[in-house]
Amino acid sequence: DAGVTQSPTHLIKTRGQQVTLRCSPKSGHDTVSWYQQALGQGPQFIFQYYEEEERQRGNFPDRFSGHQYPNYSSELNVNALLLGDSALYLCASSLNRGQNSPLHFGNGTRLTVT
Amino acid sequence: AQSVSQHNHHVILSEAASLELGCNYSYGGTVNLFWYVQYPGQHLQLLLKYFSGDPLVKGIKGFEAEFIKSKFSFNLRKPSVQWSDTAEYFCAVKNTGGFKTIFGAGTRLFVKA
Repeated sequence: DAGVTQSPTHLIKTRGQQVTLRCSPKSGHDTVSWYQQALGQGPQFIFQYYEEEERQRGNFPDRFSGHQYPNYSSELNVNALLLGDSALYLCASSLNRGQNSPLHFGNGTRLTVT
Repeated sequence: AQSVSQHNHHVILSEAASLELGCNYSYGGTVNLFWYVQYPGQHLQLLLKYFSGDPLVKGIKGFEAEFIKSKFSFNLRKPSVQWSDTAEYFCAVKNTGGFKTIFGAGTRLFVKA
């Protein structure tokens, strides 16, 4: 049991379309981070949400946006999909308190853009 | 900018062999360091972490890592690997007080029975 749940597990989209990925954090966690993991690479930080605000962002274009709800769940939206957006998208939750909380990951959403 | 470098992309060992996976990071400030592991078909999970204090940290399943500040390194070790250690291992760093955790490219370990 990952504790962090992501949906859907797999998704196939066409170039130019938009996609929404969803994440429910581990019980008790209040912070959600999103990562993109391309084949053969480590997870790349997209952004982090806390208190329903994006508080840090990685080197990703504005096509990538997100949201966090009052229950701490989160969404990742990607507009105008490109072939290069094909990847595994990981959600990770943590506790903001103390700032030393490690990340707890979900199983990811495999996005394929054709 | 912060970065994490893992020296080996693929490692093949026989059971009972010793393991050392290299990790170097670039950041001049105070850092938190992590090793995460992904077993086949499972999610990424924490193996061990260093925040402060004793630079030799112990994690689950007999793994340990040593933080050498002067070398910006956080190498992972295990004296005797088992077939069940076959997995992908990721080194990660977060600057203290920061929000994002940066990951290395990962090392795939295959242990032959």
